[in-house]
Amino acid sequence: QKEVEQDPGPLSVPEGAIVSLNCTYSNSAFQYFMWYRQYSRKGPELLMYTYSSGNKEDGRFTAQVDKSSKYISLFIRDSQPSDSATYLCATSGGSYIPTFGRGTSLIVHP
Amino acid sequence: KAGVTQTPRYLIKTRGQQVTLSCSPISGHRSVSWYQQTPGQGLQFLFEYFSETQRNKGNFPGRFSGRQFSNSRSEMNVSTLELGDSALYLCASRIPLAGGTDEQFFGPGTRLTVL
Repeated sequence: QKEVEQDPGPLSVPEGAIVSLNCTYSNSAFQYFMWYRQYSRKGPELLMYTYSSGNKEDGRFTAQVDKSSKYISLFIRDSQPSDSATYLCATSGGSYIPTFGRGTSLIVHP
Repeated sequence: KAGVTQTPRYLIKTRGQQVTLSCSPISGHRSVSWYQQTPGQGLQFLFEYFSETQRNKGNFPGRFSGRQFSNSRSEMNVSTLELGDSALYLCASRIPLAGGTDEQFFGPGTRLTVL
């Protein structure tokens, strides 16, 4: 079992939909939770990060962490075709080396 | 400020050959990490170099090696290539984030195909 599990999708939604992307993790020592976005032919770039449990909002994006169930979520409101990308969740504990999920491919069609 | 650069962008090799990939981190960043990305396994950490010293290593065989130069540029070498080494190889430099973790800045990657 991988330490961070993520459904690879693809997830296809119409423009304007609310998107929910999710990961589960197994190591309770993980304290930092990150979402990276990767466009085709590019490297991943950090979208959001949170520490411990709770919510964090940034524009149309909301990151949510539930440490009791070891569940990480990213919500995208009013999704746009430009949001089409692969979204990778990542976690880390005391070490700064993150453990990544496999990524979920999101397609937002007009 | 220029981002992380990687060369070459695409590479085709045959089994048994060796390959060297190059990475230049963001100016001023002293650490370079290497990752392998495949559809099946996702993004997996290979190793990290800081000030010319390997500081962390992932769970990869000894055929994967690297080094870092005094100007922080790094090279990764894979010897005796296998079909399963076909992947996107990403390099990253990092900066601390408020709260205790780090942000990884990734290059565009080198797409290696082993035939």
